[in-house]
Amino acid sequence: AQTVTQSQPEMSVQEAETVTLSCTYDTSESDYYLFWYKQPPSRQMILVIRQEAYKQQNATENRFSVNFQKAAKSFSLKISDSQLGDAAMYFCAYRRNTDKLIFGTGTRLQVFP
Amino acid sequence: DVKVTQSSRYLVKRTGEKVFLECVQDMDHENMFWYRQDPGLGLRLIYFSYDVKMKEKGDIPEGYSVSREKKERFSLILESASTNQTSMYLCASSSGTRGYNEQFFGPGTRLTVL
Repeated sequence: AQTVTQSQPEMSVQEAETVTLSCTYDTSESDYYLFWYKQPPSRQMILVIRQEAYKQQNATENRFSVNFQKAAKSFSLKISDSQLGDAAMYFCAYRRNTDKLIFGTGTRLQVFP
Repeated sequence: DVKVTQSSRYLVKRTGEKVFLECVQDMDHENMFWYRQDPGLGLRLIYFSYDVKMKEKGDIPEGYSVSREKKERFSLILESASTNQTSMYLCASSSGTRGYNEQFFGPGTRLTVL
């Protein structure tokens, strides 16, 4: 069965600095999709960034980028120039084709001014 | 903007009560999902639906049922609430069948069963 592991329950970063959140997953598939979702305090969960496994190029969305290492089954999220509004729970998720999304346990990110 | 709304943000019920959690989406999405979110466990899928009147069990369906009579509405039912069902419940919806497609989430219902 596929699993998603986020080994950092909590992380903190200073405003304007860079932070990397880790995610590893276990699968025997070669074609799948990976996602990072953000859940701000008391607000709705939103998609931050996504990656198709067959694409070697790492996805980027403004200050958010991923380091996708397919052989290592690693999908880390880098947040550059951190802002106070980046404080949230971040969930890594995996999906094989149209199967269900499998979520990690989350990383709580604190941003200090 | 896609909107997924849930009927209550906070709900307090007593053990044994029948509980209805309602979810409505306004973007004509085919797919709808119910998750349960617990600290240290992430999100776990309870039930999902790919079409009206269709439902599929997720990872933790025990103690829950669902109803989807209309495309925009997906209800989660706790037939006889128990204290171990105290949790945050998240509804989500998505379109189409592509694995790349984003799921859009509602604000969540924090249910406390006393």
